[in-house]
Amino acid sequence: GESVGLHLPTLSVQEGDNSIINCAYSNSASDYFIWYKQESGKGPQFIIDIRSNMDKRQGQRVTVLLNKTVKHLSLQIAATQPGDSAVYFCAETRDDKIIFGKGTRLHILP
Amino acid sequence: DTEVTQTPKHLVMGMTNKKSLKCEQHMGHRAMYWYKQKAKKPPELMFVYSYEKLSINESVPSRFSPECPNSSLLNLHLHALQPEDSALYLCASSLGQGAGNQPQHFGDGTRLSIL
Repeated sequence: GESVGLHLPTLSVQEGDNSIINCAYSNSASDYFIWYKQESGKGPQFIIDIRSNMDKRQGQRVTVLLNKTVKHLSLQIAATQPGDSAVYFCAETRDDKIIFGKGTRLHILP
Repeated sequence: DTEVTQTPKHLVMGMTNKKSLKCEQHMGHRAMYWYKQKAKKPPELMFVYSYEKLSINESVPSRFSPECPNSSLLNLHLHALQPEDSALYLCASSLGQGAGNQPQHFGDGTRLSIL
């Protein structure tokens, strides 16, 4: 069935550089999207969300972009730090449920 | 530290044992969730409770039995599990069940191993 997915299973970024994690979704009726960060041994941690009536939303060091035309979601992390090392999941809401994408593991290079 | 507390953090049990996983939140959230997460995979929804009533069961085998004693507590009773049930079990809560525009807050999970 339809699901939220990510383009890359792993991403390696130099410390201090910006990271961009991408996600493609297939359900054009989805109206709410969330990015979660999951560190080893921990549960998913809410990072940022965006509603379908918005194109961009900024948080502290993070920005989420939503392109509804091509059904694409991205998470930008500014000045990546070692503590950003984790698996990042995008998620969409559908039928009162949150559906998670496959996840991207972010590696920070020294 | 998360605001959703799960106990125990680790559990090893045999296939004939009965055990329970516990979850607690004091954020005033009225929806609570159980997820199962296998290694290198995203969380998969198992159950949803809304206002202490079971509202969604994602066709989960009956050897998993959820319970919501009150609005702050959620249990998952386990009986006669199979080795393939070994996974991280995550609890989450949200303000209400309507998932639209409401993030879920997760605990750190119980790592379950079935011998």
